[in-house]
Amino acid sequence: EAGVVQSPRYKIIEKKQPVAFWCNPISGHNTLYWYLQNLGQGPELLIRYENEEAVDDSQLPKDRFSAERLKGVDSTLKIQPAELGDSAVYLCASSLGLAGADTQYFGPGTRLTVL
Amino acid sequence: TQLLEQSPQFLSIQEGENLTVYCNSSSVFSSLQWYRQEPGEGPVLLVTVVTGGEVKKLKRLTFQFGDARKDSSLHITAAQPGDTGLYLCAGLIGNQFYFGTGTSLTVIP
Repeated sequence: EAGVVQSPRYKIIEKKQPVAFWCNPISGHNTLYWYLQNLGQGPELLIRYENEEAVDDSQLPKDRFSAERLKGVDSTLKIQPAELGDSAVYLCASSLGLAGADTQYFGPGTRLTVL
Repeated sequence: TQLLEQSPQFLSIQEGENLTVYCNSSSVFSSLQWYRQEPGEGPVLLVTVVTGGEVKKLKRLTFQFGDARKDSSLHITAAQPGDTGLYLCAGLIGNQFYFGTGTSLTVIP
């Protein structure tokens, strides 16, 4: 069974440019998460989807970050415009149901460098 | 600010040594998980502990959940180079897991 797929794996952009990350969760997984992870630190939740509904986006900086999960399958996270402090790894994860009941499976992440 | 503080932040040991990683918080969690993350990969779940005082063993790894469900520890016996990685604890509140600050372990052959 294929795991969580993310693309691109690496992205280097200049500040003020837009950038987008794509995530395809494990087939049949209803819950999808986007996390931000700084080097050597633990992931921090940005947004959680249950099917196509964003049920927790309280940590998403909405002035520059946006996300969508059309049709409740794959998802896109966008930053516009990017800032130097956005350099980090962006992880996508999925679970069959709710986090407390089902295991989260993580993708390999997209490493973003903002110059 | 992360709810869970891990210590130590960095650990470098020789193959065959034992080690313990701690995960502490002032919050109470419904359950607690431990993950290992290798460079360029996402975290992979090692174990979930649910009951206060619970101890789980996974080969050379022993996980314990504190009686009050606010803290946890991970003990590795006879560490091997393959144990190298970033160890993360994550505590569940509601439907969200809050990750710890991470412990980077290097096992030198």
